[in-house]
Amino acid sequence: GDSVTQMEGPVTLSEEAFLTINCTYTATGYPSLFWYVQYPGEGLQLLLKATKADDKGSNKGFEATYRKETTSFHLEKGSVQVSDSAVYFCALSEGGNKLVFGAGTILRVKS
Amino acid sequence: DTAVSQTPKYLVTQMGNDKSIKCEQNLGHDTMYWYKQDSKKFLKIMFSYNNKELIINETVPNRFSPKSPDKAHLNLHINSLELGDSAVYFCASSQGDSRNLYEQYFGPGTRLTVT
Repeated sequence: GDSVTQMEGPVTLSEEAFLTINCTYTATGYPSLFWYVQYPGEGLQLLLKATKADDKGSNKGFEATYRKETTSFHLEKGSVQVSDSAVYFCALSEGGNKLVFGAGTILRVKS
Repeated sequence: DTAVSQTPKYLVTQMGNDKSIKCEQNLGHDTMYWYKQDSKKFLKIMFSYNNKELIINETVPNRFSPKSPDKAHLNLHINSLELGDSAVYFCASSQGDSRNLYEQYFGPGTRLTVT
C-alpha cells in the first residue's frame, strides 16, 4: 500500500539556519503530495502541495519539489524563525480524499 | 468564525465507559473525516463521510461508530473505552467527493485520556 517516510526528529536549528526535512513516498500510481504543519496545541494546516512531477509547492518561505525519479518531496526553507517551531507532516493522496501521512518531524528553532 | 470545531477539547474518562466527541464545520464542505493521532504524533485516518454517507472506513474496532446527522456535523461515539484509545482525535473537512482532491481543514483536536 501507499506509504510516506520522513526523517526522524526532533530537528533542532538556530534561527536563520537552513532547513531540510526529507520525505520519500511509495505509491502505486501518481499521487499528489503535501506538507502539513501542526503548531503546538493546534490542528494541522496545509503548508504547500504539488500535484504532478516537477511541480514546486511554496508558501511562507517553504518550498518542496515533486521528484518522481527519486519519489521524494523534501521540504526546505532558507532561513528559519522561532515561529516555525512545529511538527511537519508529509502526506500523499492517490485521488479521492484519503490522505496518507508520514510520522511527522518535530522542528525546534532556537533564538 | 471558527471553521472546524470540536467538543470537548479534553476528555478524561475511565476504562469501560462510553463517550462521544462532536465535530461541526461551517465551511459548507460536503466531506468530513476523523483522524487519530497517537502519542508519537502518528496520524491515521479512521472514517470519512461524504454528504452523510460513509466513504472511508479504515480498520477500526467496531467500538468506534461515526454518525453524521447532516453535512456540517460528524460525531464519533466510542463504546467500552480502552487504555489504547488514549490519543488526540482530529476532525477535518473538505469540499469534493472521492473523485476529486481538495484541501482538508482540521479542527483543533480532542485529547482523550483513558485511565
